Amino acid sequence: GAGVSQSPSNKVTEKGKDVELRCDPISGHTALYWYRQSLGQGLEFLIYFQGNSAPDKSGLPSDRFSAERTGGSVSTLTIQRTQQEDSAVYLCASTPKVVDEQFFGPGTRLTVL
Amino acid sequence: QKEVEQNSGPLSVPEGAIASLNCTYSDRGSQSFFWYRQYSGKSPELIMFIYSNGDKEDGRFTAQLNKASQYVSLLIRDSQPSDSATYLCAVRGSQGNLIFGKGTKLSVKP
Repeated sequence: GAGVSQSPSNKVTEKGKDVELRCDPISGHTALYWYRQSLGQGLEFLIYFQGNSAPDKSGLPSDRFSAERTGGSVSTLTIQRTQQEDSAVYLCASTPKVVDEQFFGPGTRLTVL
Repeated sequence: QKEVEQNSGPLSVPEGAIASLNCTYSDRGSQSFFWYRQYSGKSPELIMFIYSNGDKEDGRFTAQLNKASQYVSLLIRDSQPSDSATYLCAVRGSQGNLIFGKGTKLSVKP
């Protein structure tokens, strides 16, 4: 079946612009996670959705970051007023239940000039 | 704050040898441990998970967990050039999220 998909695969933007990253999880997966992988850094957890609800947003790096999930499916990560330090690969993962294996999407590579 | 530490490598082994990858974690209460493989430019893929002390074997891969020492390792037997990748150790966090180490880069030389 289809895996986790993310779009766009690459995004180049200018500092100060807003960007929107999309994640389409595996059908039926109720839990969805966003991570960020910066060059030379490990994967950093950003936010988690159970259904449409994100119980804890404290992992988001700043108030410029927001995320939503609608219909228990597609999720969007929005970064406002992008900064160069936002440049990274943004990965989305989904899982049927919180305790199950997480399946990662291919990621969106964001470059802020 | 849970932390996961790995030697960044690179770890270089000859083809056919055993590769040993190590990881330590800070939270003694951690229960679930994972090894992911990440090829350059690709997303992580799960190799193994382990929850109980001891060894868990799957094909050429063996995960070892020692909760008393807060240590988890991955052994790759009969290493192949196709095993060359970055190996990420992770523990499960309070929201079911994964807390990753920075990864160990493995290079298997033909």
